[in-house]
Amino acid sequence: EIVLTQSPGTLSLSPGERATLSCRASQSVSSSSLAWYQHKPGQAPRLLIYGASTRATGIPDRFSGSGSGTDFTLTISRLGPEDFAVYYCQQYGSSVKTFGQGTKLEIK
Amino acid sequence: EVQILESGGGLVQPGGSLRLSCVASGFTFSKYAMIWVRQAPGKGPEWVSGISGSGYAADYADSVKGRFTISRDNSKNTLYLQMNSLRAEDTAVYYCGKGHQEWNSGYYYMDVWGTGTTVTVSS
Repeated sequence: EIVLTQSPGTLSLSPGERATLSCRASQSVSSSSLAWYQHKPGQAPRLLIYGASTRATGIPDRFSGSGSGTDFTLTISRLGPEDFAVYYCQQYGSSVKTFGQGTKLEIK
Repeated sequence: EVQILESGGGLVQPGGSLRLSCVASGFTFSKYAMIWVRQAPGKGPEWVSGISGSGYAADYADSVKGRFTISRDNSKNTLYLQMNSLRAEDTAVYYCGKGHQEWNSGYYYMDVWGTGTTVTVSS
């Protein structure tokens, strides 16, 4: 089973700043099969990125994903007030699909 | 607009059973895999099970294999999760999600999620 470790656990930033979230895999993720989700309390999680770097439909271009192998990054170029949430990565390149434990992005 | 709505959660005693349902709309249901993911309090999400659009293929996490059964009724646009022999560690919010393809050999992510239904296993 591929273990995904996200860092930092909590990120405190101000609106307008740049956010960089990390997701590290315990072994190589096949075919860059990595997705990122945003989750706000009481809402459905939302797909942001799939294939490590492809934005899902309707996702603003301030969200970008990068990486391959074992190291992946989600970058939010300029934080809007609506971006403060918990972010999860998920790998789907193996038969056992796994998620990271999440990064909470909070307002500083 | 794609919409997904889960139901069937509740309080159940250890060893008991529960069936979750998930009704979907806004897309051709039979053409996409459907997935269950759960999230225990204070933890990250955990993949539980997925089923192909046709219903002929399914997979399960080891933690639920032999106790949970996923199924779907494409005539009703509905996904199910039959949960038996429930344990305290099954306590979680259970989310239903639409897969990005029909099955893709079991390699899938969720492109739309529901808001979840809460399952509590306690005496």
